[in-house]
Amino acid sequence: DTAVSQTPKYLVTQMGNDKSIKCEQNLGHDTMYWYKQDSKKFLKIMFSYNNKELIINETVPNRFSPKSPDKAHLNLHINSLELGDSAVYFCASSRLSGGSYNEQFFGPGTRLTVL
Amino acid sequence: AQSVTQPDIHITVSEGASLELRCNYSYGATPYLFWYVQSPGQGLQLLLKYFSGDTLVQGIKGFEAEFKRSQSSFNLRKPSVHWSDAAEYFCAVAAGRVSGGYNKLIFGAGTRLAVHP
Repeated sequence: DTAVSQTPKYLVTQMGNDKSIKCEQNLGHDTMYWYKQDSKKFLKIMFSYNNKELIINETVPNRFSPKSPDKAHLNLHINSLELGDSAVYFCASSRLSGGSYNEQFFGPGTRLTVL
Repeated sequence: AQSVTQPDIHITVSEGASLELRCNYSYGATPYLFWYVQSPGQGLQLLLKYFSGDTLVQGIKGFEAEFKRSQSSFNLRKPSVHWSDAAEYFCAVAAGRVSGGYNKLIFGAGTRLAVHP
């Protein structure tokens, strides 16, 4: 069974469109994340949700809106897509426990191409 | 602010040669450090991690890394590289301390490893 899954794997769309990427984890984790990997392979945290509550928003444009319907899902909706949004988006999950760090498990990524 | 530096953008080695990928971090407290590998078109796979204790940690695929606090380094090593090791390697530090723990990873820019036959 896939631990962290993302759909779709590839997404090609026009500038100005609205699109969503879905993420699901079956690890029983309470925290989920979105990371963006740009064309130079640089990875940066975008959002983090713990028990469906937003705990990190790293100055991401408000065109990006994450939504967590339950602890196992974290979706990313992007409005008015721009060329600069082209990237690979990775979802991850982990268990946030007191005073320590638990490994983040990453999904396979969604390659978004904005034309 | 926390940061991770991988000084080598691109490294090429011959198959069977030894490998060392450099990683330096900036973090105020005891760091939780990681190495991830990303094969072309693939997601991120954890190679190894350092939380505490023995400063030499063993990982999967024959990789190891040594934590050196005095040098703020966490270099990745492998004694004999295989062609299948060609990939992008990322060093990362856990950050964003909250009451429950650490809630994000800060990644270095990555090192692309090419392996010559």
